[in-house]
Amino acid sequence: DAKTTQPPSMDCAEGRAANLPCNHSTISGNEYVYWYRQIHSQGPQYIIHGLKNNETNEMASLIITEDRKSSTLILPHATLRDTAVYYCIVRAANFGNEKLTFGTGTRLTIIP
Amino acid sequence: NAGVTQTPKFRVLKTGQSMTLLCAQDMNHEYMYWYRQDPGMGLRLIHYSVGEGTTAKGEVPDGYNVSRLKKQNFLLGLESAAPSQTSVYFCASSYLAGGGYEQYFGPGTRLTVT
Repeated sequence: DAKTTQPPSMDCAEGRAANLPCNHSTISGNEYVYWYRQIHSQGPQYIIHGLKNNETNEMASLIITEDRKSSTLILPHATLRDTAVYYCIVRAANFGNEKLTFGTGTRLTIIP
Repeated sequence: NAGVTQTPKFRVLKTGQSMTLLCAQDMNHEYMYWYRQDPGMGLRLIHYSVGEGTTAKGEVPDGYNVSRLKKQNFLLGLESAAPSQTSVYFCASSYLAGGGYEQYFGPGTRLTVT
């Protein structure tokens, strides 16, 4: 799976959009981009994933650049409960690729 | 729909003792996983299962055994606990593996080995 690079920490004001970048310049054509978050010491929580197109669900939006070398997770209206470590993960589409490789992620702090 | 549950939530063991961690999922998922997370680090895969009656090694399997006798349950065993196994253990499940299928995680079991 391709390596990802994320900033170690970010702050965002409550109510504003939080934009979390991720660089995955070595991504290959069959690799998905996943985002998970971990609030304090809880289990990681799935947020969203995409292959080529931008995606949106009830939690967030995922913007993938046309060359697929980077992406941005957008939390449209951040709340204090969004304070967490956010992980960007690249994962191949082939069956048998079982593990998720978690890096160090971005620690997002929502400021009241 | 409880999702993925883990028991116990906390456990303290002495070196050499044994224990079993239980993971249960009610989503009819085929794949189940055990990860460990050490302080300040990402999750590492211990063992996984691609279906009832099957198990396979992940990246850090030494010192652990697993069993999947029922589709909804995945057990992680420590036969002789060591201080290096002090960690938070997370179970996860997914419908299938590979890209396009997200994993759902349990709340974790915090294990301390003294």
